[in-house]
Amino acid sequence: EVQLVASGGGLVQPGGSRRLSCAASGFTVSSNYMTWVRQTPGKGLEYVSIIYSAGSTYYADSVRGRFTISRDNSKNTLYLQMNTLRVEDTAVYYCARAWVPVDSYKVEGFDIWGQGTLVTVSS
Amino acid sequence: DIQLTQSPSFLSASVGDRVTITCRASQGINTYLAWYQQKPGKAPKLLIYGASTLQSGVPSRFSGSGSGTEFTLTISSLQPEDFATYYCQQLENYLTFTFGPGTKVDVK
Repeated sequence: EVQLVASGGGLVQPGGSRRLSCAASGFTVSSNYMTWVRQTPGKGLEYVSIIYSAGSTYYADSVRGRFTISRDNSKNTLYLQMNTLRVEDTAVYYCARAWVPVDSYKVEGFDIWGQGTLVTVSS
Repeated sequence: DIQLTQSPSFLSASVGDRVTITCRASQGINTYLAWYQQKPGKAPKLLIYGASTLQSGVPSRFSGSGSGTEFTLTISSLQPEDFATYYCQQLENYLTFTFGPGTKVDVK
């Protein structure tokens, strides 16, 4: 079965750090484009970061310099290292696959999503 | 950065109604637009990509259209399981992948 299972959320103090994990099954993380998306409680979706199959990474302005996306090919797992956390980083964090159809060269949508893990930044 | 707006923000409808949601982009994005459905406590689900192509397994009552800056998602006959929040997303700019603010479809 193709699925993503996210973990690692919890309560963190402002200025603290947290690492999120996203274990994949049914497909290979390193052969795909993988992303993190967050959703503030009661609000909309915000793209956070992407790692391409070649290894290049990109970040939203709101997290650049504080968050790092990475992967462990041997564990088929995606990570998000979050440092210098702020109250406004409180959200449900989803991992998702950025899908490129076989007849396309661009990402056309995020087709596989993890269940989300809640990060609460509060003192 | 490319900004997306959606209208309406909230929509009250009944089972069997035809529902249309509009997504507008601040600049042209060709047809690099996707639509998602999200139910409370669940992850978003990809419904449509390429502005008008139905993702595998999505019921044919869902359809999408548009190109450039204006797009629509239509549900031809609303079903009970369709009450949810719908988001558009632009994929033209691979650095941002912006989502729209969402449209909540509620029971009238």
